[in-house]
Amino acid sequence: ETGVTQSPTHLIKTRGQQVTLRCSSQSGHNTVSWYQQALGQGPQFIFQYYREEENGRGNFPPRFSGLQFPNYSSELNVNALELDDSALYLCASSSGTHLGNEQFFGPGTRLTVL
Amino acid sequence: EDQVTQSPEALRLQEGESSSLNCSYTVSGLRGLFWYRQDPGKGPEFLFTLYSAGEEKEKERLKATLTKKESFLHITAPKPEDSATYLCAVNSGGYQKVTFGIGTKLQVIP
Repeated sequence: ETGVTQSPTHLIKTRGQQVTLRCSSQSGHNTVSWYQQALGQGPQFIFQYYREEENGRGNFPPRFSGLQFPNYSSELNVNALELDDSALYLCASSSGTHLGNEQFFGPGTRLTVL
Repeated sequence: EDQVTQSPEALRLQEGESSSLNCSYTVSGLRGLFWYRQDPGKGPEFLFTLYSAGEEKEKERLKATLTKKESFLHITAPKPEDSATYLCAVNSGGYQKVTFGIGTKLQVIP
């Protein structure tokens, strides 16, 4: 059984550019959530995808968007990058939307915006 | 809006010195409270889920407990490899939005 994987590991972009981050969910999981973790802070919920539909969103602007594919892998897209977007981006997968289900996290993508 | 407050922000223990980490929460209907461990530069590693007041769970040197307002993570006779940031999170929504605290950074000194 493979765990959650994310790519790339690290990424450096300049302000105004666009970025796409990728996540493969754990085998058997159909729900993917994305989080942003700034240095020294806890992860902040961006949005969740369940069966290819957005199933909830945190307080992030529309330039943060996502996709989920039929194999339950997911992408996070960020347009018009700002310096404050520099953070560790975490993907977490779980099975279904059963309340209280534990989420399993990937290793993250470290994004640096210059 | 859900709120999670963890204390202390940092804790330094001698190897073998037991202690507890606190997580206070304010939610409108708790669906689950989670504890995670996070090593520097890595994703959080799931430890426990607690669902209702009075529930307790154990794993090796860790024991998590839950009341209606807070949760404790008790660490018994810690070892240096227990050094990490411990995150507490709650789920109270109709979907799996999880609200995290900022964590407690634990350092265990040999």
